[in-house]
Amino acid sequence: EIVLTQSPGTLSLSPGERATLSCRASQSVSSSYLAWYQQKPGQAPRLLIYGASSRATGIPDRFSGSGSGTDFTLTISRLEPEDFAVYYCQQYGSSLSITFGQGTRLEIK
Amino acid sequence: QVQLVQSGAEVKKPGSSVKVSCKASGGTFSSYAISWVRQAPGQGLEWMGRIIPILGIANYAQKFQGRVTITADKSTSTAYMELSSLRSEDTAVYYCARDATTVVYDAFDIWGQGTMVTVSS
Repeated sequence: EIVLTQSPGTLSLSPGERATLSCRASQSVSSSYLAWYQQKPGQAPRLLIYGASSRATGIPDRFSGSGSGTDFTLTISRLEPEDFAVYYCQQYGSSLSITFGQGTRLEIK
Repeated sequence: QVQLVQSGAEVKKPGSSVKVSCKASGGTFSSYAISWVRQAPGQGLEWMGRIIPILGIANYAQKFQGRVTITADKSTSTAYMELSSLRSEDTAVYYCARDATTVVYDAFDIWGQGTMVTVSS
């Protein structure tokens, strides 16, 4: 099973700042089958990024994903008030074991 | 636009089973994999297993092997997740989620609203 480790656990920033979230895999993620989700309290997760760097439908271009192999990054270029939430990475390269990271909480400083 | 609508909250006794449904409306159902993901209170997301309805084949996370059964009824566009031998640690919100495309592996672009399952004596 591929273990995903996200850092930092909590990120405190102000609106307008740039956010950089990291996701490290215990082994290479095949074909960059890496996704990022945003989750707000009481809501289901929302897909932001798939294939490591492709934005899902309707996702603003301030969200971008990068990386390959074992190291992946989600960047939010200029934080809007609605971006403060919990973010999860996910690898889906094998239906034998789809896994999520433990999450990064992005909070208002 | 496809929507996934899940059944309502459940309260169960330890040792019993729960079956949660996930009905798709507004689009194609059978060709897309449906996964089940759970989230304990204040915790992260945990994948439990998935099914491709048109094939009727399910696979499960090792942690839940032998305790979870995922099925699908193509005629009603509904997927089901049954978890047995419930214990307090199974208290969580259970989500169904659909793959974004019909390729072998894909991210989850559509999610149900979640079903709260509480296990308590």
